[in-house]
Amino acid sequence: GQQLNQSPQSMFIQEGEDVSMNCTSSSIFNTWLWYKQDPGEGPVLLIALYKAGELTSNGRLTAQFGITRKDSFLNISASIPSDVGIYFCAGRPQGGSEKLVFGKGTKLTVNP
Amino acid sequence: GAVVSQHPSWVICKSGTSVKIECRSLDFQATTMFWYRQFPKQSLMLMATSNEGSKATYEQGVEKDKFLINHASLTLSTLTVTSAHPEDSSFYICSARGGARPSTDTQYFGPGTRLTVL
Repeated sequence: GQQLNQSPQSMFIQEGEDVSMNCTSSSIFNTWLWYKQDPGEGPVLLIALYKAGELTSNGRLTAQFGITRKDSFLNISASIPSDVGIYFCAGRPQGGSEKLVFGKGTKLTVNP
Repeated sequence: GAVVSQHPSWVICKSGTSVKIECRSLDFQATTMFWYRQFPKQSLMLMATSNEGSKATYEQGVEKDKFLINHASLTLSTLTVTSAHPEDSSFYICSARGGARPSTDTQYFGPGTRLTVL
């Protein structure tokens, strides 16, 4: 089946640093979504992207839908301890079903 | 907006019993709901897709007689784990989507249900 390559797998940063993670695919996607999951909780939607080239911000978070429609990135600026968690990218492939394809997640650790 | 609830948040049961998990969209009508299973330190694994009023579509390898899904209304779907065994212990998460295109691609997740089968 289709897969999303999400990187990095994990990150260890200092509070205040900026963070960048991305997802790539070999096929075209129509929608890109970024979620954050805390331990023992369900994923929470951070940003939804629906058009190629779209750049959307949500507070300190910024995500972009790649022009080729095969990638997306998420940036977090001025990280704080509560940014700790696992970040998942997800997308709906072009011509595919209503199901989402998920990346394997990026585990973020922020040292105060 | 777009709040999804799940009940219970955790459940412990004996082997051989059945457990029902509810998923509700609180402030929108969900045309489609999804049920996922997540193992520790792994991504989400889709189990089935359910549309209101019709039979659920199960992913390959998921036993439909083991995991019964009912989507009786636009705001409620249930997952029943029948004759549960320890290997069914996991974190079960539902999601719901609704609304107009393109936002119908967006899934909103519930908080999850931790199932432990003794």
